[in-house]
Amino acid sequence: SQQGEEDPQALSIQEGENATMNCSYKTSINNLQWYRQNSGRGLVHLILIRSNEREKHSGRLRVTLDTSKKSSSLLITASRAADTASYFCATDESSNTGKLIFGQGTTLQVKP
Amino acid sequence: DVKVTQSSRYLVKRTGEKVFLECVQDMDHENMFWYRQDPGLGLRLIYFSYDVKMKEKGDIPEGYSVSREKKERFSLILESASTNQTSMYLCASRADRGWDQPQHFGDGTRLSIL
Repeated sequence: SQQGEEDPQALSIQEGENATMNCSYKTSINNLQWYRQNSGRGLVHLILIRSNEREKHSGRLRVTLDTSKKSSSLLITASRAADTASYFCATDESSNTGKLIFGQGTTLQVKP
Repeated sequence: DVKVTQSSRYLVKRTGEKVFLECVQDMDHENMFWYRQDPGLGLRLIYFSYDVKMKEKGDIPEGYSVSREKKERFSLILESASTNQTSMYLCASRADRGWDQPQHFGDGTRLSIL
């Protein structure tokens, strides 16, 4: 079952600009995670935000979580061509199974 | 760093064959997962395992089985491959140290069933 819905599906920006991706989900969660996938490769974990946190930073990444709206956003500041990838949000349900439910992803293209 | 290794990056098999996809992790993680990834459908969980000899069905287990005889290895089996199982298969592992652990992924196996 799909939990996360991501918006936009595709995003194209110039190097140096900021990129914002949004994720909505449906059920109660323990945490929400963001992953990156380069073309033809596996997913790489970027950042995890717990349900009791509202904002988290990691380098050029900023993640926000609004549990009342069941939504999250990922901001990549000062983007680089190397940021070109697909980005997925994933929710860890509060049932404590350890299962993640992934959104369909946002494809980001950063033009040099 | 955690390393999750999938035995093949690309695999071509014929309809009706029994297909084995292997995944090995080197971090003594308890939890392991198999997903398939298809355009427009995202990642869907096939099976997962909490520990050795344990398995749980995910969202799309039909046509698949799994084996976890050793902690580091989690195998996905296509009992009788069909063309609709052509997909990218991703394996992941996760430490069982609470609910705030990320999953670590292998590079995937792109499987084509002819």
